[in-house]
Amino acid sequence: EVQLVESGGGLVQPGRSLRLSCAVSGFNFGDYAMSWVRQAPGKGLEWVGLIRSQPYGGTTEYAASVKGRFSFSRDDSKSIAFLQMNSLKTEDTAVYYCSRGLYSSSSVGRYWGQGTLVTVSS
Amino acid sequence: DIQMTQSPSTLSASVGDRVTITCRASQSISGWLAWYQQKPGEAPNLLIYKASSLESGVPSRFSGSGSGTEFTLTISSMQPDDFATYYCQQYSSYPNTFGQGTKLEIK
Repeated sequence: EVQLVESGGGLVQPGRSLRLSCAVSGFNFGDYAMSWVRQAPGKGLEWVGLIRSQPYGGTTEYAASVKGRFSFSRDDSKSIAFLQMNSLKTEDTAVYYCSRGLYSSSSVGRYWGQGTLVTVSS
Repeated sequence: DIQMTQSPSTLSASVGDRVTITCRASQSISGWLAWYQQKPGEAPNLLIYKASSLESGVPSRFSGSGSGTEFTLTISSMQPDDFATYYCQQYSSYPNTFGQGTKLEIK
């Protein structure tokens, strides 16, 4: 059974940093790109970005709203994807989801975590 | 960036109704479009990919069509479990983008 579990969310002050984790099981993590999507309270889905698998160079894509502040990484040996969020703003308050795609390089979310809430407030 | 516009934003329907949601892209995305269903407090659930391919396990009352810039999601006969919010996502280019969502409400 495929499982994705996000963690690391919480309350953080504007300008500070936070790192989210997405621990996966049930598939060969190293074969897949991992995507991140967020949802502000009461709002729609916003694509944050993705990190490709090592066979695809481990490269990343970001939404304009987070580029330069957020970064993705992955530890294939532990089957964990990370989202490092720096210089957080109040508008980054959202539930953050990680997802695995249809196939190795896909950004279409076939499997999703339950989400972790990040609240940016002073 | 490619903008995705869904219509309507809210739709009232009854059980048994045929329902259609439209998603328009600001430029051609060929058939690189997915549809998701989301219920309150839950993660999105993939329904359709590549505009018209039904995800495994999704009931056949859901169907997708379109190409280029205009796409539709159709539910042939609304069931109680289908009242939720629906999103389209283009994955033709990065950054991927979602539509703003369509909330299906009980009439």
